[in-house]
Amino acid sequence: EDKVVQSPLSLVVHEGDTVTLNCSYEVTNFRSLLWYKQEKKAPTFLFMLTSSGIEKKSGRLSSILDKKELSSILNITATQTGDSAIYLCAVDRSGAGSYQLTFGKGTKLSVIP
Amino acid sequence: DTEVTQTPKHLVMGMTNKKSLKCEQHMGHRAMYWYKQKAKKPPELMFVYSYEKLSINESVPSRFSPECPNSSLLNLHLHALQPEDSALYLCASSQRGGQPQHFGDGTRLSIL
Repeated sequence: EDKVVQSPLSLVVHEGDTVTLNCSYEVTNFRSLLWYKQEKKAPTFLFMLTSSGIEKKSGRLSSILDKKELSSILNITATQTGDSAIYLCAVDRSGAGSYQLTFGKGTKLSVIP
Repeated sequence: DTEVTQTPKHLVMGMTNKKSLKCEQHMGHRAMYWYKQKAKKPPELMFVYSYEKLSINESVPSRFSPECPNSSLLNLHLHALQPEDSALYLCASSQRGGQPQHFGDGTRLSIL
C-alpha cells in the first residue's frame, strides 16, 4: 500500500525562524512529489519535484527531493505569520495511477509574532 | 481567489434533499477531480475525469454522482446523503495526469 509520512505533525516557531518540514514516501511507480500549502480553504500548489537533488525555490521557500532516501524536505526561511498553515506533501504515480495523488497527513505550522 | 471556481461555498441540506455542487475552470485543463476532506485530514480522492470521461471512481457510494458536461465544468450530484458525508468537497484540475493539480476553495457541506 502506498504511504506518505510527514513529520513533524505540528510545529510552533517564532517569526524569523527557519523551519524544515519532512516528507517520506513508499509508492510504486513514483513519478513526482508535490508540496501544497493549505490555509482555511484550497490547497495552494507550491512545488513539484521529479528529479533528485534539484532544488526548487520560490522566495523564502525551497524544496529538495532525495530519490535514494525516498524523501523530500520543505524549507521556509525568515518565517512570517502568514506562513501559518498546513503543509501537505503528496506523491504522484506514473502509469495507470497517474491521476492519483497520495497525500500525507500534513504538518501544521504555527508562526507566532 | 483560485482559478478553479466552486459553488456554492457553503451548503446545508437534509438527508432527503437532492443538490449539486459545481466546479468550473478555464485553464484548458483536461483532467478534473473531486476530493472529500474531513477536518484535520488530508484530501481523499473520489472521482477523476480525464478528457470528459470518468477514469477513476474510488469506490464512492452511489449517493454521489459525478458529471462532466464539458471540458470546463464538473458537477457532483448529491442525493440521500448521510451525516457522515459532512465535509469540505474540493474540486481540482490539471493539464493532464501527472501534472500539478490546482484546487478550488471547496464547498463546505453540512448534512442535517
